Formats: sequence, C-alpha cells, structure tokens
Amino acid sequence: GIQVEQSPPDLILQEGANSTLRCNFSDSVNNLQWFHQNPWGQLINLFYIPSGTKQNGRLSATTVATERYSLLYISSSQTTDSGVYFCAVERGKFYFGSGTKLNVKP
Amino acid sequence: KAGVTQTPRYLIKTRGQQVTLSCSPISGHRSVSWYQQTPGQGLQFLFEYFSETQRNKGNFPGRFSGRQFSNSRSEMNVSTLELGDSALYLCASSSDDTTDTQYFGPGTRLTVL
Repeated sequence: GIQVEQSPPDLILQEGANSTLRCNFSDSVNNLQWFHQNPWGQLINLFYIPSGTKQNGRLSATTVATERYSLLYISSSQTTDSGVYFCAVERGKFYFGSGTKLNVKP
Repeated sequence: KAGVTQTPRYLIKTRGQQVTLSCSPISGHRSVSWYQQTPGQGLQFLFEYFSETQRNKGNFPGRFSGRQFSNSRSEMNVSTLELGDSALYLCASSSDDTTDTQYFGPGTRLTVL
C-alpha cells in the first residue's frame, strides 16, 4: 500500500500564530484530502486537493503531486482549530496518515 | 442536505458476540466506505461499497463483513468479537467513487469487554 507520513506529530501554538502541516506520500495518487477531526471524533473534510492550491478562509492547502507532498497552512490560529489533522490519499482505496495533533492555547 | 448518519453511536459488547453497525449516506451518494480508527493503528480502510457491490477491501479478517442496500444504506458486521475490535468505526460517503470528496459520519464507538 501507499505510505503516508505527516509532520509534525504534535504542535502547540499560541492563538494567532501561523502553522504549516506537511503530508508526504510514497507513490502517485488519484486523490488527496485533508481532514480535521474534532474532539468528538467527527472528521470534517477541509480540502479535496489532488494537485494545485486552494484556499478557504484562514486555511489553505497546496499539493505538489510530482514531488508527492501536500502542505496545509493555518493562519491566525484559533482555539477552535485544535484537534487532529489528517491527510488521506487515494489509489483504489484511501490511506490515512497518522495525523498532526494541534493544540491552540488562548 | 442531511449529512452521513451512523447508528448506534455507542455500543458495548462482550467477546464472542457479534455486532451490526449501520450507515446512511448523504442523499444521492452511491459509494459508502468503512474505516476503523484505533489509537495504535490509526485510521484503516475496511471496505467500500458502490451500487450494492463491494468494490475495494482492506486487510481485515473475514470476521468483518458488510453490505449495501438498494437505497445505498450500508451495514457492517463483525462476528466473534475480540478485545482488539474496540474502536471508532467511521463511515464515509461520496457521490460516485473514492476519487470524489468523502464525507464522514460521526462514527460508532464500539467497546468490547
């Protein structure tokens, strides 16, 4: 299967700070999504981004498919951004990374 | 449009029992995928159903099975439960196949005693 590595595994930020989360994958993929899992376990999809750059409010994502990585940018972080961020890639089926656990302190 | 729903939300079973979990996808979605999430193994793909046919399968033993009905609702069944089956089971739906955006339900938290 495809290996998906996310970094950093843990991140602590002060409210208002910016951050970059990285996702590396081991082979070409058809689909890449970023998700946020809230403390209750709900996975919310943030971006469907097999390639290119997208922005949604304070979040943006860039995928460079030829180099097999994706980046998720969070600007002006808020306490509600806390949770675990997952990258998932698809080639026939979905493979998830182990996530980045983000804690935004007030 | 209503989101993906899963029932029940919480379940406690004992070893050796079997369990059935249910997932109702977003209206109009035909693909349903199931995942198991545990602290040790993370999120792992179980299987995907599309138009009542299993299209993909993960690396889980045969105790894990599923099906999809004509209205796209899906069930997964785990027989002869083991302690290690304790997990959050997540269902996701997408419009056509896994290359589309996946939308997740709230999950069913299964505890095996």
